Amino acid sequence: QKEVEQDPGPLSVPEGAIVSLNCTYSNSAFQYFMWYRQYSRKGPELLMYTYSSGNKEDGRFTAQVDKSSKYISLFIRDSQPSDSATYLCAMSPDSKLTFGKGITLSVRP
Amino acid sequence: GAVVSQHPSRVICKSGTSVKIECRSLDFQATTMFWYRQFPKQSLMLMATSNEGSKATYEQGVEKDKFLINHASLTLSTLTVTSAHPEDSSFYICSARVGGGNEKLFFGSGTQLSVL
Repeated sequence: QKEVEQDPGPLSVPEGAIVSLNCTYSNSAFQYFMWYRQYSRKGPELLMYTYSSGNKEDGRFTAQVDKSSKYISLFIRDSQPSDSATYLCAMSPDSKLTFGKGITLSVRP
Repeated sequence: GAVVSQHPSRVICKSGTSVKIECRSLDFQATTMFWYRQFPKQSLMLMATSNEGSKATYEQGVEKDKFLINHASLTLSTLTVTSAHPEDSSFYICSARVGGGNEKLFFGSGTQLSVL
């Protein structure tokens, strides 16, 4: 079993939809959880960072962590075509990140 | 956020040649930089951790003699792919950390290496 599992998609939604992206993990030592957005052939940029169970909201983005289930989610409200990108979850016990494979999201106008 | 500059963005080379990729932190000092490799539709895989003034720490399965890392200053780390072969073709990305904390990790724009 891989340490981090992420549905590879791709995912296509209409503009305005609520998007739910998920990752599961197996390493109980993970305590830092991140979501990155990556445009084609570019480096990832940090969207959300959490280190505890619960929800964290930033504008249209909400990150959710459930440590008991080893499950994290990223919700995007009122999705826009500019949200079209690859989204990667990442997590770590300390400073070394383990990434999911990423899911490519396409928001149709 | 902080800016990490990576150069070149794309390189095509012949098999057997060596390629150097530079990673610079433009507006901060980075004591630690990380090098990743990403194959199409795959996750970023950490290759090595580069510490200023000391030897890099390589992940299991990464050949340190093939992927030479030098972190000679607080703003520059280089990755040299020696005697490149077609199987080394990949997207290489560096990142640098501002102080401690994973939220302060910033990525370069990546280098697409194609070995013919």
